[in-house]
Amino acid sequence: EAGVAQSPRYKIIEKRQSVAFWCNPISGHATLYWYQQILGQGPKLLIQFQNNGVVDDSQLPKDRFSAERLKGVDSTLKIQPAKLEDSAVYLCASSHRGPGDTQYFGPGTRLTVL
Amino acid sequence: DAKTTQPPSMDCAEGRAANLPCNHSTISGNEYVYWYRQIHSQGPQYIIHGLKNNETNEMASLIITEDRKSSTLILPHATLRDTAVYYCIVRVNNAGNMLTFGGGTRLMVKP
Repeated sequence: EAGVAQSPRYKIIEKRQSVAFWCNPISGHATLYWYQQILGQGPKLLIQFQNNGVVDDSQLPKDRFSAERLKGVDSTLKIQPAKLEDSAVYLCASSHRGPGDTQYFGPGTRLTVL
Repeated sequence: DAKTTQPPSMDCAEGRAANLPCNHSTISGNEYVYWYRQIHSQGPQYIIHGLKNNETNEMASLIITEDRKSSTLILPHATLRDTAVYYCIVRVNNAGNMLTFGGGTRLMVKP
């Protein structure tokens, strides 16, 4: 079974630029999550999708972050414009259905904002 | 979700058992204990979870105290590849599947 795929693995941009990350979850997984992990901290949930609908985006800074999962499969997370404090690893995870299901994480995208 | 307390770091000799403690004194009756680990430059990896009873799988054992206020993750024969940050998380299984990560324990397995 293929795991969660993410791209790019690394990205370096200057502040005020925009950036987008892509995630392909495990086939058949209905639930998809984006987490932000700042260096030295545990991951923090940004947004959760169930199929193509948003379940929880309470931690997403909506003035600059957006995410979509149009066909209920792949997802993109965008930051526009980026700030220095957005430097972090952005992790995508998926789970089969919902409550109680194990979350499987991708390798993450390391973003550096200069 | 209830908060957890873990030591920030631990060392373990290769081949010995690694016992990682977690305190969750405010855990509710319907909250499960989950363990994930994160090896350097990788995403978190699920290890094990339990509600009341002790659990064992091919990776580890989970021992939950009778009052459920603490638990211990046991790696029976630690290897160098077990060096990672280990996260203990408690959550209700019907709460949208959200995981709230704390700081975790950085386990260093030494030769």
